Amino acid sequence: AQSVSQHNHHVILSEAASLELGCNYSYGGTVNLFWYVQYPGQHLQLLLKYFSGDPLVKGIKGFEAEFIKSKFSFNLRKPSVQWSDTAEYFCAVNARNTGNQFYFGTGTSLTVIP
Amino acid sequence: EADIYQTPRYLVIGTGKKITLECSQTMGHDKMYWYQQDPGMELHLIHYSYGVNSTEKGDLSSESTVSRIRTEHFPLTLESARPSHTSQYLCASSDPRWAAFFGQGTRLTVV
Repeated sequence: AQSVSQHNHHVILSEAASLELGCNYSYGGTVNLFWYVQYPGQHLQLLLKYFSGDPLVKGIKGFEAEFIKSKFSFNLRKPSVQWSDTAEYFCAVNARNTGNQFYFGTGTSLTVIP
Repeated sequence: EADIYQTPRYLVIGTGKKITLECSQTMGHDKMYWYQQDPGMELHLIHYSYGVNSTEKGDLSSESTVSRIRTEHFPLTLESARPSHTSQYLCASSDPRWAAFFGQGTRLTVV
């Protein structure tokens, strides 16, 4: 079975600091990769996704993620975080040829201090 | 803005009660999912559906059941709730490119 690992469980940053959240997956086949964000009291929203092509994908609100196939990684980055980025971030993987299942990491709680 | 709705948002019920968590989407997606999410834990897939009259169990063993009689509707039922069912339940649907859209979740407490 696939697994998705997010090694940072809780991250606390000051505003304007740079962010990088790690995501590694175990599946060796062709995958679709996603980052979801859940702001306090809100539902999960798609932040960005990778299907194919340029391994550096840009999402909403200045976030980007880089797919490194050799490292089975899809790390999320933002050059300068804002207080409004405080949220829970989930990495997810979906294998293209194995049906409908998404596999999610445990999530990373980000707190940005003003 | 994704059009997927879950009701109720919060539910507190007694042990042994039968409950149904509702999920509806207006995007015409064939694929729908139910996940269970506990604080600090990963999302676990408990049921999914390819389309009408198609349902499958996910990775996490669950005592719940689902039905898919209409494309837009994917309710989850617990025949006899127990305290171990206390959790947050998230419904999602995905578009043809596999991006998933989530409802706001139902937080269930069984006392």
